[in-house]
Amino acid sequence: QQQVKQSPQSLIVQKGGISIINCAYENTAFDYFPWYQQFPGKGPALLIAIRPDVSEKKEGRFTISFNKSAKQFSLHIMDSQPGDSATYFCAASKSTGGFKTIFGAGTRLFVKA
Amino acid sequence: GAVVSQHPSRVICKSGTSVKIECRSLDFQATTMFWYRQFPKQSLMLMATSNEGSKATYEQGVEKDKFLINHASLTLSTLTVTSAHPEDSSFYICSARDRLSGYTFGSGTRLTVV
Repeated sequence: QQQVKQSPQSLIVQKGGISIINCAYENTAFDYFPWYQQFPGKGPALLIAIRPDVSEKKEGRFTISFNKSAKQFSLHIMDSQPGDSATYFCAASKSTGGFKTIFGAGTRLFVKA
Repeated sequence: GAVVSQHPSRVICKSGTSVKIECRSLDFQATTMFWYRQFPKQSLMLMATSNEGSKATYEQGVEKDKFLINHASLTLSTLTVTSAHPEDSSFYICSARDRLSGYTFGSGTRLTVV
């Protein structure tokens, strides 16, 4: 119930292509779904987040698609750039009550120039 | 946006000594902070939840006597690794929750025990 399953484990995309990372959760109490980007030796940085009352959120080249009934959400990176090469983590948490954040296993993205 | 400052970024210590890592919320108050541990190429593993003015809540399998957490103010939480050993070498990251940005992470501390 606490798990967040993330796939793929690694991803290689050509520059200009679309990177897609998928996550699935089990606990329906989760109501906040962020994506984090992490570069080597740095802490994760919030990229974009969504709440279950919307099915899609777009910020620049980054889009989250959310399917509440399937308990799945995904990150799409449009026009992927070499600078996007990093590890991406999806996460799920409950926004109230100090509920801890559960992280996916991470996806190592490499964008080829 | 919200900023969480973590210090030091890197520390090397001798086996048997203790190391303190600080986590500060710079422009917001955080009644709750979280401490994570991350092994190379792995995800973040929650170690404990730090609560201002009360005892920390540790995850199963985390030794509370080894990883001492103090959250004495609304902007500062500290993690002390006591009697460190080489197997404690890892990347430690804190995070704090602010109302606007959700959970903001510190930049992490690379601990190497020699």
